[in-house]
Amino acid sequence: QSALTQPRSVSGSPGQSVTISCTGTSSDVGGYNYVSWYQKYPGKAPKLIINDVTKRPSGVPDRFSGSKSGNTASLTISGLQAEDEADYYCCSYAGTYTWVFGGGTELTVL
Amino acid sequence: EVQLLESGGDLVQPGGSLRLSCAASGYTSSSYAMAWVRQAPGKGLEWVSSISATGRSAYYADSVKGRFTISRDNSKNTLYLQMNSLRAEDTAIYYCAKHLVGANSYFDYWGQGTLVTVSS
Repeated sequence: QSALTQPRSVSGSPGQSVTISCTGTSSDVGGYNYVSWYQKYPGKAPKLIINDVTKRPSGVPDRFSGSKSGNTASLTISGLQAEDEADYYCCSYAGTYTWVFGGGTELTVL
Repeated sequence: EVQLLESGGDLVQPGGSLRLSCAASGYTSSSYAMAWVRQAPGKGLEWVSSISATGRSAYYADSVKGRFTISRDNSKNTLYLQMNSLRAEDTAIYYCAKHLVGANSYFDYWGQGTLVTVSS
């Protein structure tokens, strides 16, 4: 149950696009299409923004998109806005009803 | 509206015990699996445990197996986490989360968290 690997931080200017990677193994990210992404502001509860690799829950802007290739999943945020500045966490099913999260990525909007 | 409200966090000495609670409202909680996820200071999220809708099946991270016990009382719409033999590394904000359906589905709603501090 080792944590998934995410970059500690990424940044971008308003209107630009950023991509956050999430690398695991064939036992988690690569083995299941059950990767989800969560947005978290300090002191607040995590919010689901992507589930099942590519699906956006109702109410999540289409600026947020997810993808996966092999053992690496990615979250892309296009048309960056100031309100997107937050921490982002990936999460993957790891079999036998267990889950593993990434270490989190701090997004700074310049 | 789905709401999850955790309680029970406190300062406890190493080796001590604590029980967290999570009150669910706004949906039929007995139909969905639930989980606990924690975040240590300055660290990322860590899945701790999940429990099936009926409460018959429970699953644990290796880091807490044998020390923590997850349970639920569907008549009270409440989820619990009994934490024994607490260690300094268990210090974290503990979040209650709802699975979409079963314990092999993603977390779609989260509570605000309750702080557990293990220190002498």
